[in-house]
Amino acid sequence: ILNVEQSPQSLHVQEGDSTNFTCSFPSSNFYALHWYRWETAKSPEALFVMTLNGDEKKKGRISATLNTKEGYSYLYIKGSQPEDSATYLCAFLNQAGTALIFGKGTTLSVSS
Amino acid sequence: DVKVTQSSRYLVKRTGEKVFLECVQDMDHENMFWYRQDPGLGLRLIYFSYDVKMKEKGDIPEGYSVSREKKERFSLILESASTNQTSMYLCASSGSVSNQPQHFGDGTRLSIL
Repeated sequence: ILNVEQSPQSLHVQEGDSTNFTCSFPSSNFYALHWYRWETAKSPEALFVMTLNGDEKKKGRISATLNTKEGYSYLYIKGSQPEDSATYLCAFLNQAGTALIFGKGTTLSVSS
Repeated sequence: DVKVTQSSRYLVKRTGEKVFLECVQDMDHENMFWYRQDPGLGLRLIYFSYDVKMKEKGDIPEGYSVSREKKERFSLILESASTNQTSMYLCASSGSVSNQPQHFGDGTRLSIL
């Protein structure tokens, strides 16, 4: 059974704080790792698709790194803003699969 | 921008009813997916389709069926709705290359009474 773990499950930060969360996935037969942001009352939105070990991607104040050999990815948010409040999902695709396996998400709450 | 449209945001049905959830995408995507999201369980895949008339079971297909008669439309069918199928249902689509992101609809919150 392929398992994708995200930690922490939730966290609460103050506006301006930087934060990061972890996604752990099976390190064998890796194909791709996706990150999505899901705001309340909206649809999940793709942030990054990462395929290469050592990949680092950035979108504004959000960045992500990937280590396929040890099976983890970090998502970083620099200078958190209230509009960053959302659930952040990672999803793993292995070489044999056609469907993503999602983690349960990290729910971020940013207070002003 | 890719648009994935689910037919209803909120739906209330009764136990035993046959329920249809419709999803349409406008980007000519090959792959389409149905998920349900429940508190503490994350997104779980019910069924997916990689081509017209093709379907594959996901992690939790029991009690559901799907139909993909046209490329742009993927329907989820609850054959005989039960209260444990009360959930948020999300549809998604993606292109044929496996490392393309999925594009999601706004979700249907389904209540079975």
